[in-house]
Amino acid sequence: DSGVTQTPKHLITATGQRVTLRCSPRSGDLSVYWYQQSLDQGLQFLIQYYNGEERAKGNILERFSAQQFPDLHSELNLSSLELGDSALYFCASSVDGGRMNEQFFGPGTRLTVL
Amino acid sequence: AQTVTQSQPEMSVQEAETVTLSCTYDTSESDYYLFWYKQPPSRQMILVIRQEAYKQQNATENRFSVNFQKAAKSFSLKISDSQLGDAAMYFCAYRRTRSNDMRFGAGTRLTVKP
Repeated sequence: DSGVTQTPKHLITATGQRVTLRCSPRSGDLSVYWYQQSLDQGLQFLIQYYNGEERAKGNILERFSAQQFPDLHSELNLSSLELGDSALYFCASSVDGGRMNEQFFGPGTRLTVL
Repeated sequence: AQTVTQSQPEMSVQEAETVTLSCTYDTSESDYYLFWYKQPPSRQMILVIRQEAYKQQNATENRFSVNFQKAAKSFSLKISDSQLGDAAMYFCAYRRTRSNDMRFGAGTRLTVKP
């Protein structure tokens, strides 16, 4: 158990809908990262927040957005969902967003878009 | 752009024997970090081992060790005395020092035969 929690574990929804994925980092970790793991694209970095502020952006679609709250939990919002958005979404956390900071991964949320 | 290549989609090893998983990467940076993550059927991403590019000494963690060849941009993982619990997908990952964008390879599925 990494100490990173993600809810829900599974999510099934329809195209065009909007969903919110939630992540609670390990106690003491200020940085949260979101990744998408799909069959065709592999594991891709989406976005990082550090202490409430966006720090780095990867291959995140405009239909997706994220935020980190004062209690450091983070939410990833996915809207206008398409079939291709079906994937495993991971959240990871680290103490800070700096140098050699190990990222601890949560168990993931499996999103299925029908 | 930094890319990570794992040329072995699947590998198998006999229990108690040794196996080496290959990883090459492309970068123009001199300061970066390399990682091997394990993803068992539970889908949890677990850090196996990490290497800082400025360190010449190869990292080791119990039965896991790496062969880091900076000039060749190669970062292979050796698993000694393989155990049934080592069966998983293994991902090689790269992150440059000044970035939080971690790039993953496509993964190698390791099967351990009893």
